[in-house]
Amino acid sequence: ILNVEQSPQSLHVQEGDSTNFTCSFPSSNFYALHWYRWETAKSPEALFVMTLNGDEKKKGRISATLNTKEGYSYLYIKGSQPEDSATYLCAFGNAGNMLTFGGGTRLMVKP
Amino acid sequence: KAGVTQTPRYLIKTRGQQVTLSCSPISGHRSVSWYQQTPGQGLQFLFEYFSETQRNKGNFPGRFSGRQFSNSRSEMNVSTLELGDSALYLCASSPTSGGASTTNNEQFFGPGTRLTVL
Repeated sequence: ILNVEQSPQSLHVQEGDSTNFTCSFPSSNFYALHWYRWETAKSPEALFVMTLNGDEKKKGRISATLNTKEGYSYLYIKGSQPEDSATYLCAFGNAGNMLTFGGGTRLMVKP
Repeated sequence: KAGVTQTPRYLIKTRGQQVTLSCSPISGHRSVSWYQQTPGQGLQFLFEYFSETQRNKGNFPGRFSGRQFSNSRSEMNVSTLELGDSALYLCASSPTSGGASTTNNEQFFGPGTRLTVL
């Protein structure tokens, strides 16, 4: 059974704070690591798909890094805003389109 | 471009009944995957269809089945509903077939169908 873990489970920060979360996954048979943002009552939104060790991706104030040899990825949010409040999910992509999700990190940004 | 649509959005059934959920992928996408989200288990993969063929299947009982039509629309069926089947069911579409050479393909999720079993 594939084990994908995310920490912390939840996080409360003040507007303007920078924050980061961790996703741990098996380091063997790696194909891809996906990050999603899921706001309440909306569809999960793809942030990044990362495939190469050392990959760094950025979208606005959000960035992610990948270490496939040790099996972890970090997601960073710089200068958090209330609209960043959401659950952030990582998913291990196997061969094909099957995703194994972590439990998510719920971020709440207070104005 | 229209996104992934799922119908119905909400459904209430009783134990023992069966239910069919529908997913229409983004135009041109041939892969449709289904996921179940429950508070205790998080998002879990059910199965994936590509070009009308089931390619991957998660660890769910045979009561959960699906199919895909020639226009890539997919349906998921759950027979003999149990209370534990109450969940949010999400589908996701992707333009490619995945695999080692195309594992960086993005998946686009629909809004989900909320199923309540009484």
